[in-house]
Amino acid sequence: DTGVSQDPRHKITKRGQNVTFRCDPISEHNRLYWYRQTLGQGPEFLTYFQNEAQLEKSRLLSDRFSAERPKGSFSTLEIQRTEQGDSAMYLCASSLVSGRAGEQYFGPGTRLTVT
Amino acid sequence: EDQVTQSPEALRLQEGESSSLNCSYTVSGLRGLFWYRQDPGKGPEFLFTLYSAGEEKEKERLKATLTKKESFLHITAPKPEDSATYLCAVQALGTDKLIFGTGTRLQVFP
Repeated sequence: DTGVSQDPRHKITKRGQNVTFRCDPISEHNRLYWYRQTLGQGPEFLTYFQNEAQLEKSRLLSDRFSAERPKGSFSTLEIQRTEQGDSAMYLCASSLVSGRAGEQYFGPGTRLTVT
Repeated sequence: EDQVTQSPEALRLQEGESSSLNCSYTVSGLRGLFWYRQDPGKGPEFLFTLYSAGEEKEKERLKATLTKKESFLHITAPKPEDSATYLCAVQALGTDKLIFGTGTRLQVFP
C-alpha cells in the first residue's frame, strides 16, 4: 500500500508529558500537512511543508506544538507538556504541488488521549 | 474570514432514496472546493475537486456541483455502504490549507 501512513495509531499519555507522532507521505508527494480533528468537527489546519520548508503555520497553534520534516520525506509532530484539550485525532495528508488546487490525501490518523 | 457551512448536520435515508447535501462557503478567492468521505475512526477519503462555478463531477452514485456560493453533493439511489460523514473543504488563493465544514453524517438504511 503506497498511501499516507501514521504512527502510532493510538497514544494515551498523562497530562504534562511530551508526545511525538510520525507521518510518512505518499512517496512522490512534496507537500505534507498536519490537521487536528475533534469529535463532531471537521479537520483543523495546523501546518504544512513543501519538501523540508515549513511554509505556513496556524495562528491557533500553541508554542507547545512543533513540526519538522528534516529531509523532505517523513515528518514528526511533537506536543510538549500535553494538556487535556490536546486530546484529538491528529491527521497527516500529502499532495503533489501543481498550478491548480492539489488534492490532499489523508492518512488514518493518530488518536491522542490525554488523561 | 474564509468559512464553510454544511447542512444538514445529519441525514437518514432509506436505501434508494435520493437526496442532496449542501456546502455553503465564503472565501476571498476560490482555488478549489473539495469533497471528502470519512468513516468512523478513519482519515478523510478524497472524492472530488471542483474549481469553478458550473463545474460538475460524478463518481458512481455521487455527483458534485459548484456555484459561486455553494456546492451540492447529490446522492442517487444510495446504498447502506454510502453511510459515512461527508466533508466539504475550500482552499483559497495563495495558500494550500484546507478549511473544512463540520460535515454531514449520512445514514442509509436497508
